[in-house]
Amino acid sequence: ETGVTQSPTHLIKTRGQQVTLRCSSQSGHNTVSWYQQALGQGPQFIFQYYREEENGRGNFPPRFSGLQFPNYSSELNVNALELDDSALYLCASRSGGSETQYFGPGTRLLVL
Amino acid sequence: GQQLNQSPQSMFIQEGEDVSMNCTSSSIFNTWLWYKQDPGEGPVLLIALYKAGELTSNGRLTAQFGITRKDSFLNISASIPSDVGIYFCAGQRNRDDKIIFGKGTRLHILP
Repeated sequence: ETGVTQSPTHLIKTRGQQVTLRCSSQSGHNTVSWYQQALGQGPQFIFQYYREEENGRGNFPPRFSGLQFPNYSSELNVNALELDDSALYLCASRSGGSETQYFGPGTRLLVL
Repeated sequence: GQQLNQSPQSMFIQEGEDVSMNCTSSSIFNTWLWYKQDPGEGPVLLIALYKAGELTSNGRLTAQFGITRKDSFLNISASIPSDVGIYFCAGQRNRDDKIIFGKGTRLHILP
C-alpha cells in the first residue's frame, strides 16, 4: 500500500476517442510522474509535474498531456486514441526532497 | 535513446534456490534501482543504489552498483513462493531525472 491511488482501474475506449486518467498522490508529495507500460515491457516515462508545472517529458507526442492540481492530484489526458495506446498507465509520486517514487496500481486502458 | 538490457528475460527455479539477474546500460547512471511488480500492482521499490561499487542488502535481496556505473545485479537468496513476480532494473542520471526501466525478469518458482 503506497498511498497512491488511480482511477479508473480499467477502461475501454475506441480509436479516436479521448481519455482522462486520474492519480491521487501520497500526502505531502509535490512531484508526480506518469508512465506507460505496454504488455511485456517495462514502464516508459511520459512526463513529470512539479508544483503544477511540467518539468520533464519523455518521447511521447503532444496528444499526451497532463495537469497537476494545487492539492497535487494529477490527470493524464490522451487525445485521438490509437490502438497502440493500449497499456497500463502508472503514476508515481514523491516529495521534492526525496528520491523514492511511490507507484500507484495503474489504470489499464484498452483501445479498440 | 537510453536502453537498459536486463537478463534473463525469465527464470524457472525451485523453491530454496538462489537467483541472480543483471542489467547493463549503454550509458552511465548515477542511481540504480530495483523494483518488483506483482500482477495488478504498480512497481514497488526493493533496493536503491547511489554510489558506484555500492553493495546493498534488503533481507534476502542483495544488489550492487557496478564500478563502471553501466551495470547492476540483483541476487535473491533462498527463494520462497512470494518472490514470484517481475523484477525491473531502472536507472536515473540524477535524482530529478526520469527513471528508465529495463524490460523485466519474470521469476517463476516450480512447485
